[in-house]
Amino acid sequence: EMQLVESGGGLVKPGGSLRLSCAASGFTFSDFSGYSMNWVRQAPGKGLEWVATISGNSGYIEYADSMKGRFTISRDNVKNSLYLQMNSLRVEDTAVYYCARDLRQGSSGDYFDPWGQGTLVTVSS
Amino acid sequence: DIQLTQSPSFLSASVGDRVTITCRASQDISSYLAWYQQKPGKAPKLLIYEASFLHSGVPSRFSGSRSGSEFTLTISSLQPEDFATYYCQQISSYPLYAFGQGTKLENK
Repeated sequence: EMQLVESGGGLVKPGGSLRLSCAASGFTFSDFSGYSMNWVRQAPGKGLEWVATISGNSGYIEYADSMKGRFTISRDNVKNSLYLQMNSLRVEDTAVYYCARDLRQGSSGDYFDPWGQGTLVTVSS
Repeated sequence: DIQLTQSPSFLSASVGDRVTITCRASQDISSYLAWYQQKPGKAPKLLIYEASFLHSGVPSRFSGSRSGSEFTLTISSLQPEDFATYYCQQISSYPLYAFGQGTKLENK
């Protein structure tokens, strides 16, 4: 069974940095590298917000406007892992961050399934 | 940017009820819409994609439909495990994905 597990969340001060990781299990190397991966966040008590997407070979990357220039998505297909480097963090970045795989291999623009369980990032002084 | 507006935002219903949730897109998104279910403290789960395709393992009481830019999620006979928050998502404006604001389905 394919599973995604996020880690790296925690408490950080405004202006600080944090690196999130998402480990994929149940994927072969060719499986993982064939899928685009995504980060989605959810502020406490709020709805879902797409953060960033990276294609299977890292050749295509896109960010939501409010994250551009501050967040960097990357992946290591050998390690079956996805990352999100978050810099210049703001109080409003406080949220649970989920990683999610595209539903279909090789797609450009797809629905999200499966999802990880999420990791909480709290930005507070 | 494409906006998705869900209605209602809150819905009270009872086990056995037929429930309908609507998602309206601000522009034409063809059928590039999904529905997700999220329970408290859990990650969202994909229910429906491409407006009307039931995702693997999802009970057949869930269905989706499209009429122009209006999309509907229907639960034919509400079960206790269906009380949750439901979100629509469009992928038409990829890579700028957007989600609806959510509909919280509560037990009456």
